Amino acid sequence: AQTVTQSQPEMSVQEAETVTLSCTYDTSESDYYLFWYKQPPSRQMILVIRQEAYKQQNATENRFSVNFQKAAKSFSLKISDSQLGDAAMYFCARNSGYALNFGKGTSLLVTP
Amino acid sequence: DAGVTQSPTHLIKTRGQQVTLRCSPKSGHDTVSWYQQALGQGPQFIFQYYEEEERQRGNFPDRFSGHQFPNYSSELNVNALLLGDSALYLCASSFRSLETQYFGPGTRLLVL
Repeated sequence: AQTVTQSQPEMSVQEAETVTLSCTYDTSESDYYLFWYKQPPSRQMILVIRQEAYKQQNATENRFSVNFQKAAKSFSLKISDSQLGDAAMYFCARNSGYALNFGKGTSLLVTP
Repeated sequence: DAGVTQSPTHLIKTRGQQVTLRCSPKSGHDTVSWYQQALGQGPQFIFQYYEEEERQRGNFPDRFSGHQFPNYSSELNVNALLLGDSALYLCASSFRSLETQYFGPGTRLLVL
């Protein structure tokens, strides 16, 4: 089975600081998509950022950026200038055909 | 712009019963995917519907079935409910099968 691994069950960051969430994945394909989704307590899954594997440039969305290392099959998420509203479960995912395979998630706590 | 909507928000059933969950995709989207999220886990892919046909299926038994209507909305049916079917059921929509999936708020199903 092609898996997505998030090795950090919980992370904590102070407001205005930077935090990096880790993700590794398994695949035999050369072209695929990677995603980070955020799930706050309201439970709705919200897209944070998307990366196409064929693009060497790391994706960026405002305070969110990724470090995509294709050879290492690593896809970490960096959150800069953390805000209280960033507190949530963060899920890393990659596509497998038409499906998304998700990791188990990282719970991010943001402290004042 | 209406996002993905799901109904009902919560549902309580007993073992052996049948349940139907509904999903309306985001405006402009034609593809619907269903996921099951157990407590403390990442979502698991159930199946995807495109052009009113099941396009891909995850590792779920035949008790799980679905349908897509001409207006692109979709239903998920689960027969002979088991206690283990208790979970958050998420619907996601996209434009064409391989594009980014956007999630609805989910339906919380409790099987007693």
